Amino acid sequence: DAKTTQPPSMDCAEGRAANLPCNHSTISGNEYVYWYRQIHSQGPQYIIHGLKNNETNEMASLIITEDRKSSTLILPHATLRDTAVYYCIVISGGSNYKLTFGKGTLLTVNP
Amino acid sequence: SAVISQKPSRDICQRGTSLTIQCQVDSQVTMMFWYRQQPGQSLTLIATANQGSEATYESGFVIDKFPISRPNLTFSTLTVSNMSPEDSSIYLCSDIDLAGDSYEQYFGPGTRLTVT
Repeated sequence: DAKTTQPPSMDCAEGRAANLPCNHSTISGNEYVYWYRQIHSQGPQYIIHGLKNNETNEMASLIITEDRKSSTLILPHATLRDTAVYYCIVISGGSNYKLTFGKGTLLTVNP
Repeated sequence: SAVISQKPSRDICQRGTSLTIQCQVDSQVTMMFWYRQQPGQSLTLIATANQGSEATYESGFVIDKFPISRPNLTFSTLTVSNMSPEDSSIYLCSDIDLAGDSYEQYFGPGTRLTVT
């Protein structure tokens, strides 16, 4: 699976959009981009995933560049409860469903 | 999405003893996994729990230290054997939803283990 690179930490003001970048320059054609987050003392939570098109759900939007080498997770109106470590993970389809967690980005939403 | 529960939620154990962690899913799932999260670190996959057969372990993890059972499609256990302080971690189980083309994993709340 492709390696990902994320900034170690980011800050965001409450109510503003949080834009979390992820670089995955070695991604291959059948690999998906997944985002999870882990709020302190909880298990990770699935947020969103995409292959090549932009995606949106009730939690967030995922913007994938045309060359698929990077993506951005957008939380449109961050709240204090969105403070968490956000993980960008690339996995392939088929039978390999293993998640390899990097260090992720600690997003701190400030009042 | 499946709801996953784990028991115990936390425990403090003496070195040299063993602890069995239970993971219960509220629906039948194809795949279940066990992860470890050491203090201040990210999650590391221990093994894939296979129903009716031996678990598949990742590099650095062995069955003698982390025996895993999965007697049916909704339940699995992880035993941490002959514990040492280095085993102090959060242990999490997860399952995967193979519906459609997505591979979303759902995680339990974790078991916080402290070995003294």
